[in-house]
Amino acid sequence: EPEVTQTPSHQVTQMGQEVILRCVPISNHLYFYWYRQILGQKVEFLVSFYNNEISEKSEIFDDQFSVERPDGSNFTLKIRSTKLEDSAMYFCASRGTTRAQHFGDGTRLSIL
Amino acid sequence: DQQVKQNSPSLSVQEGRISILNCDYTNSMFDYFLWYKKYPAEGPTFLISISSIKDKNEDGRFTVFLNKSAKHLSLHIVPSQPGDSAVYFCAGGGGGADGLTFGKGTHLIIQP
Repeated sequence: EPEVTQTPSHQVTQMGQEVILRCVPISNHLYFYWYRQILGQKVEFLVSFYNNEISEKSEIFDDQFSVERPDGSNFTLKIRSTKLEDSAMYFCASRGTTRAQHFGDGTRLSIL
Repeated sequence: DQQVKQNSPSLSVQEGRISILNCDYTNSMFDYFLWYKKYPAEGPTFLISISSIKDKNEDGRFTVFLNKSAKHLSLHIVPSQPGDSAVYFCAGGGGGADGLTFGKGTHLIIQP
């Protein structure tokens, strides 16, 4: 069964450094998403992406964040200057024509 | 802002019995709901969805019921199996927004 894959599974970064989280969505999907889950809290929506542009973003997705689909398969989330509070699990998701979003296993981001 | 609430942090059910997981929402703009299951160190796995114009959707052992007037939905799992032990998330979507709004989750434990 096709799946969303995310790399790396764990990323440790110094505060203030840039980090890029990578995702390969399911191949025939057209809608792409990033979510995050801070330890002990809810899964929170960050951004959605369709037709090579951001279609929706939450208040969390400020100027420090950006997304890109650099080629036909990858979908990336960049955090420009990481803060301690960016430590979380980051999940990528994609969907096709149905409403069901399919999630990857996440990247655990630890900011030191 | 708790637009989606899962008020039971955990639920213990005997193997073979019915598991009922509950979810309440406040946002009348949601036009579909989804249930996800999550194992530790994995991403949420899509289980079943329901459109706001329906009151029931069934898929194998999983049935979701929606009571729009009460802004309440429930997931029934019957019969419950040991592999069903996981955290279950309810999520709402639509109403012009593409990102999902998640509840905090309910940890279901199936007792042998």
